[in-house]
Amino acid sequence: DVVMTQSPLFLPVTLGQPASISCRSSESLVHSDGNTYLNWFHQRPGQSPRRLIYKVSNRDSGVPDRFSGSGSGTDFTLKISRVEAEDIGVYYCMQGSHWPPTFGQGTKVEIQ
Amino acid sequence: QVQLVESGGGVVQPGTSLTLSCATSGFTFSTYPMHWVRQAPGRGLECVAVISYDGSSKHYADSVRGRFTISRDNSNNTLYLQINSLRAEDTAVYYCARAQVDGYNQIDYWGQGTLVAVSS
Repeated sequence: DVVMTQSPLFLPVTLGQPASISCRSSESLVHSDGNTYLNWFHQRPGQSPRRLIYKVSNRDSGVPDRFSGSGSGTDFTLKISRVEAEDIGVYYCMQGSHWPPTFGQGTKVEIQ
Repeated sequence: QVQLVESGGGVVQPGTSLTLSCATSGFTFSTYPMHWVRQAPGRGLECVAVISYDGSSKHYADSVRGRFTISRDNSNNTLYLQINSLRAEDTAVYYCARAQVDGYNQIDYWGQGTLVAVSS
């Protein structure tokens, strides 16, 4: 299985400041169809995950534009331009290019 | 809007069987691949099974192959997961998740989950 490694695993943030999460895969996520199926999810305490970003850099409907995704091949990044209180929770990267889809360990974001 | 509602979880003894259900609404169920994803307490997320839109193709994680069976009833917009020979390590919240029509593994929407606790 493709191993997804996130860093950091814990991210204390300051409201209004930027934040960044890294995700690395153990093999290239470029699919044979040419797409790179790397997604980002956000899970608030007690809730199910919500997808924020799909295919590396595409924001889902209703996702604020302070969230952005970038990267290629095996290295990817989720950035929050200005953290808001509702952004706390755990962020997961997930690859869908290979079966089975696999997730990173999660990055817990808390307001410091 | 898209709704996925899981049911069927509970406290069960090791070695027994259980069937989880996921009732869906708000989209054309029969055109979407569907997944079951589990999250063990304090641990990360694991995709355990996926089924194609028409049920003709199914894939399982190595950790559950042979014990888990995914199925669907497109006439009733419902997804199922049968779990046999339950083990302590199967204890988790089980989520039903929809994948995009054009992306077999592109999960977009999740249900609220149902807890399966395996304990003697």
